[in-house]
Amino acid sequence: EIVMTQSPATLSVSPGERATLSCRASQSVSSNLAWYQQKPGQAPRLIYGASTRATGIPARFSGSGSGTEFTLTISSLQSEDFAVYYCQQYNNWPPKFGQGTKVEIK
Amino acid sequence: EVQLVESGGGLIQPGGSLRLSCAASGLTVSSNYLSWVRQAPGKGLEWVSVIYRGGDIHYADSVRGRFTISRDNSKNTLYLQMSSLRAEDTAVYYCAKHSDSGSYYFDFWGQGTLVTVSS
Repeated sequence: EIVMTQSPATLSVSPGERATLSCRASQSVSSNLAWYQQKPGQAPRLIYGASTRATGIPARFSGSGSGTEFTLTISSLQSEDFAVYYCQQYNNWPPKFGQGTKVEIK
Repeated sequence: EVQLVESGGGLIQPGGSLRLSCAASGLTVSSNYLSWVRQAPGKGLEWVSVIYRGGDIHYADSVRGRFTISRDNSKNTLYLQMSSLRAEDTAVYYCAKHSDSGSYYFDFWGQGTLVTVSS
């Protein structure tokens, strides 16, 4: 099974600053990686899938990478962006999620 | 608008059984790939099971032989029958719709239902 590793576990960022989240796969997953946002008490929400921003996701979110190294960048953090972010590979069976990166207010 | 509404969670003793439901609106369960994904308290996400539009079914190793996924097309509802429950099955269970291409990422999620396995 593929292991997904996210770093850092917690990212402290001031509003308006850039946030860079990393996700690494233990073997290549091609471009088959998704990103989700989860706020406390809520279900996850798709941010990126099939290398495309999901419907309604603002352009300040951008995803990049392929193979084993991936990055989610939030260009200018807004108050509503403070949350936990999960990556998920869907190239190999079974689908696997990373352990999450919490983006908190600095 | 797509909506997925889970129900059926609760407190259950180890070894017990429980059936979760996921009522869908804005989509037809028989025309979509639908999965159950769970999240233990304070932990990450774990995929549990999928039912394809054609009816094929798959399970995670951790639940195979104990959980059964099914759907009722007339009620437009997805189910997860859970038996031989263990403490480690304690989690919020979400039903989730796969992307329209059938890829294994999830573009709509329900709000989840909490299952607590404890004596």
